[in-house]
Amino acid sequence: GAGVSQSPSNKVTEKGKDVELRCDPISGHTALYWYRQSLGQGLEFLIYFQGNSAPDKSGLPSDRFSAERTGGSVSTLTIQRTQQEDSAVYLCASSRNRGAYEQYFGPGTRLTVT
Amino acid sequence: GENVEQHPSTLSVQEGDSAVIKCTYSDSASNYFPWYKQELGKRPQLIIDIRSNVGEKKDQRIAVTLNKTAKHFSLHITETQPEDSAVYFCAASFGGSQGNLIFGKGTKLSVKP
Repeated sequence: GAGVSQSPSNKVTEKGKDVELRCDPISGHTALYWYRQSLGQGLEFLIYFQGNSAPDKSGLPSDRFSAERTGGSVSTLTIQRTQQEDSAVYLCASSRNRGAYEQYFGPGTRLTVT
Repeated sequence: GENVEQHPSTLSVQEGDSAVIKCTYSDSASNYFPWYKQELGKRPQLIIDIRSNVGEKKDQRIAVTLNKTAKHFSLHITETQPEDSAVYFCAASFGGSQGNLIFGKGTKLSVKP
């Protein structure tokens, strides 16, 4: 079946502009995660959603970052007033449930802030 | 806070040799330990995982061992091949079965032909 998809695959934006990144999880997966991966670095947790529960936003690096998940499916990560240090690959993952379940990753969105 | 430490950060082996990557975790309630492989420019993919009710799991050339007392787990790759070259991430669940995963910082494995 279809895996996790993300769009766009690449995004180049000017410093100070807002960007929206989209994630389509695997159908039926109740948990959805956003991670940030800077060049050659590990996976930095940003936020996760579980069903209709309030999201865990503990990993968001600043109030310029926000995310929502509509109808328990598609999620959008928004970065306002982008800075050069926001340049990274943003990965989305989904899993059947939160916690001790395999996370399936999307291909990522490579964000470049000029 | 909860933490997963992974060592080494880089590892270079000759084709055919074994490779071992080690991780330690801080949450004694952690009960799920997956390993992900990320090839250059691609997404991380699960290669093997282990739950706290077993001490070892094997899948062909890959094995994972878990020592809950010491709070560490390891990935073992035998008879390495050039296509094993990638970044490997360990992870541990925290906050019980309804918690989240914390990832290690990754190990870049290079297998030289």
